[in-house]
Amino acid sequence: GESVGLHLPTLSVQEGDNSIINCAYSNSASDYFIWYKQESGKGPQFIIDIRSNMDKRQGQRVTVLLNKTVKHLSLQIAATQPGDSAVYFCAENINNAGNMLTFGGGTRLMVKP
Amino acid sequence: EADIYQTPRYLVIGTGKKITLECSQTMGHDKMYWYQQDPGMELHLIHYSYGVNSTEKGDLSSESTVSRIRTEHFPLTLESARPSHTSQYLCASRSRGAGELFFGEGSRLTVL
Repeated sequence: GESVGLHLPTLSVQEGDNSIINCAYSNSASDYFIWYKQESGKGPQFIIDIRSNMDKRQGQRVTVLLNKTVKHLSLQIAATQPGDSAVYFCAENINNAGNMLTFGGGTRLMVKP
Repeated sequence: EADIYQTPRYLVIGTGKKITLECSQTMGHDKMYWYQQDPGMELHLIHYSYGVNSTEKGDLSSESTVSRIRTEHFPLTLESARPSHTSQYLCASRSRGAGELFFGEGSRLTVL
């Protein structure tokens, strides 16, 4: 079928290294953010979320950082493993748009053994 | 684990056929969504619903239609499929207010 949109940027890291995936969001009214992981042939899966009243949240091997001043979100993955290879999407919840969740363009993470 | 299901997972059909992609969720969510995604590409919102008898078009123009007669069910229909409709279609649901969006596994459609 005809492609819609842009091809995704790729981040290539060595197994065991830390990965940092960045996302710029657009709306200062966004109050909630989510990172999703999508493996080939599957639907996106929730990884971690953060509310706008926080600037950092940690999960198991993952950390999300939020910088509201520059509207920037990042996902850090510690000790990256081959199973982390996937496409990662950030999403922002725009509170004044009926709580619509808008997705960023996504980044493909490739882990080299 | 999310309780949202899509069928069929894979479908290959000829041009001109009518098809319906099914999506059901058992979480009682009010909000449901359909996204279109080509392999390795962005997600594009094509339809959404905030409850029974509510349907809206998304950001990406689509020739598909949707209905929401029951809370748990949000089918997507193409009246006359064309090769340009070849894509993956992802259904998602969310409870009222902000919170996690739960995705199904997707329906990969190929129109010959």
